[in-house]
Amino acid sequence: DTAVSQTPKYLVTQMGNDKSIKCEQNLGHDTMYWYKQDSKKFLKIMFSYNNKELIINETVPNRFSPKSPDKAHLNLHINSLELGDSAVYFCASSSIETGTFNEKLFFGSGTQLSVL
Amino acid sequence: KQEVTQIPAALSVPEGENLVLNCSFTDSAIYNLQWFRQDPGKGLTSLLLIQSSQREQTSGRLNASLDKSSGRSTLYIAASQPGDSATYLCAVHNYGQNFVFGPGTRLSVLP
Repeated sequence: DTAVSQTPKYLVTQMGNDKSIKCEQNLGHDTMYWYKQDSKKFLKIMFSYNNKELIINETVPNRFSPKSPDKAHLNLHINSLELGDSAVYFCASSSIETGTFNEKLFFGSGTQLSVL
Repeated sequence: KQEVTQIPAALSVPEGENLVLNCSFTDSAIYNLQWFRQDPGKGLTSLLLIQSSQREQTSGRLNASLDKSSGRSTLYIAASQPGDSATYLCAVHNYGQNFVFGPGTRLSVLP
């Protein structure tokens, strides 16, 4: 069973369109994330949600809106897509080891977004 | 603000060689450091997590070390195999902050 699954794997769309990427985790984790990996392979956090509440929004344009209907799902909606939005978007979830502060990340397989 | 760098950016070795990947970070007040592997077109897979109080962690042919005071970690891969070819990223978790990733080292192990 896939622990963190995101769909679609590939998304090709025109500038100006609105699109969504879905993410689900079956690990029972409380925290979920969206990361963006650009063409130079830098991986940067966009959003962090804990128990359906937004914790981190790292200077992401408000065209990007995360939505968490429950703690197992964190979807990413993108409005008015721009060429610079082309990247690979990764969903992740995390758990904290009992008795420690150690947080371990589990990633989805990524969504490659191409804006034409 | 935490900054993470990794050298080399790319590495190509013949099968069977032992190799070391390096990760450096600027803020030593960390919870832990994780090493990940990323295969082309795939997500990241966690390899090893070293807690701030630990010096090293081992898993099979992989050994990760941590020197917090100097802001460095190394990932040692013994007896490399073609299947080890991937990009290896380190990520640092600081108190009260989120994970910060390095740019990765792209490893090619030639048969």
